[in-house]
Amino acid sequence: EVQLVESGGGLVQPGRSLRLSCAASGFIFDDYAMYWVRQAPGEGLEWVSGISWNSGTIAYADSVRGRFTISRDNAKNSLYLQMNSLRAEDTALYYCAKGRGYSVYGGFDYWGQGTPVTVSS
Amino acid sequence: DIVMTQTPLSSPVTLGQPASISCRSSQSLVHSDGNTYLSWLQQRPGQPPRLLIYQISNRFSGVPDRFSGSGAGTDFTMKISRVEAEDVGVYYCMQATHFPFTFGQGTKLEIK
Repeated sequence: EVQLVESGGGLVQPGRSLRLSCAASGFIFDDYAMYWVRQAPGEGLEWVSGISWNSGTIAYADSVRGRFTISRDNAKNSLYLQMNSLRAEDTALYYCAKGRGYSVYGGFDYWGQGTPVTVSS
Repeated sequence: DIVMTQTPLSSPVTLGQPASISCRSSQSLVHSDGNTYLSWLQQRPGQPPRLLIYQISNRFSGVPDRFSGSGAGTDFTMKISRVEAEDVGVYYCMQATHFPFTFGQGTKLEIK
């Protein structure tokens, strides 16, 4: 059974940093691209970032490029999102999602439960 | 960025009756590899999104066959042949052909 468990969310002041993690199990982690998607309270879905199976291709939404860094550790079956210079508009539930293949293109098939991030003074 | 426009944004449906959601993209979603990466997601209240349909018309594992998808290029449709109570939630179309990936605004399906 595919499982994605996010952690690392919390309350943080504007301008500070936070690192999210996603622990994956139930599939061969290094065969698949992985993603972060967020959902602000009461709002729709926003794709944040994606990384190919070997970290060879990485992409970001314009709203986070230069502030967020996605990475993965295939030996640990883990995905990460380093979030710097956080802003109030980054407040959201952050989901980890599994890609449908090794490429970053194609979309996602499984989602975690999400970890909440609140940016407020 | 590619804009995904869903209609309707709200859909009150009688149990057992069909429902249909349309999604239009601002550009073709045909990838250079020949595939069209258009998916449909369901988000039940308080739950994470769940994949229903990928690449326009392929039902994901465990998805009931009352869900179907169709379309090509820039115009896509998802249909539920007979709505059940468990189908209540918000439905999103999503394109994963061009970066940044984008979602439709969401269509809220509710029971009349």
